[in-house]
Amino acid sequence: EDQVTQSPEALRLQEGESSSLNCSYTVSGLRGLFWYRQDPGKGPEFLFTLYSAGEEKEKERLKATLTKKESFLHITAPKPEDSATYLCAVQAKGQNFVFGPGTRLSVLP
Amino acid sequence: NAGVTQTPKFQVLKTGQSMTLQCAQDMNHEYMSWYRQDPGMGLRLIHYSVGAGITDQGEVPNGYNVSRSTTEDFPLRLLSAAPSQTSVYFCASKDRGSGYYEQYFGPGTRLTVT
Repeated sequence: EDQVTQSPEALRLQEGESSSLNCSYTVSGLRGLFWYRQDPGKGPEFLFTLYSAGEEKEKERLKATLTKKESFLHITAPKPEDSATYLCAVQAKGQNFVFGPGTRLSVLP
Repeated sequence: NAGVTQTPKFQVLKTGQSMTLQCAQDMNHEYMSWYRQDPGMGLRLIHYSVGAGITDQGEVPNGYNVSRSTTEDFPLRLLSAAPSQTSVYFCASKDRGSGYYEQYFGPGTRLTVT
């Protein structure tokens, strides 16, 4: 059975304090790993897709990396507007995604 | 493009009532899906469709029906609402081409069953 876990469950950072979020997965035949951002009361917003181990993607203060067992979302010098829940999902066989429970990030000014 | 739209945004039902959550997309995506999101459990797949006339069950399908008569619309029906169906429901769509594509989500419907 495909599984995705995320850690930590919640993270509080001071503005400018860099950190990383973890997404660990167990799937048979990874076809894609996806990162989303979700603000309260809204739908998830797509951030990155990673397809193979060693791949990296960057967008502003965010960088996503992928290994054979996990992905990291690195946040460099975060700002309060980066506060959100970050979701990780995998696509294995077929078209369906399996989502992790998310990491709730708070960045304090 | 409006993307993925959902109505209503909020709904309160009594146990045993039925209703339909509406979902539409204007991106000509073949794949559409419904998820429910509960605290601490992430997004769980209810039903999905890979094209008009084709639907299938996801992880938590009991108590829900879907149909896909057009590419654009994918309504979710609650047959007889139960308090356990209190949740936030999201519809999503994506391209089903030869690559592996991201899903685009609607704004969600917050449902309370009393």
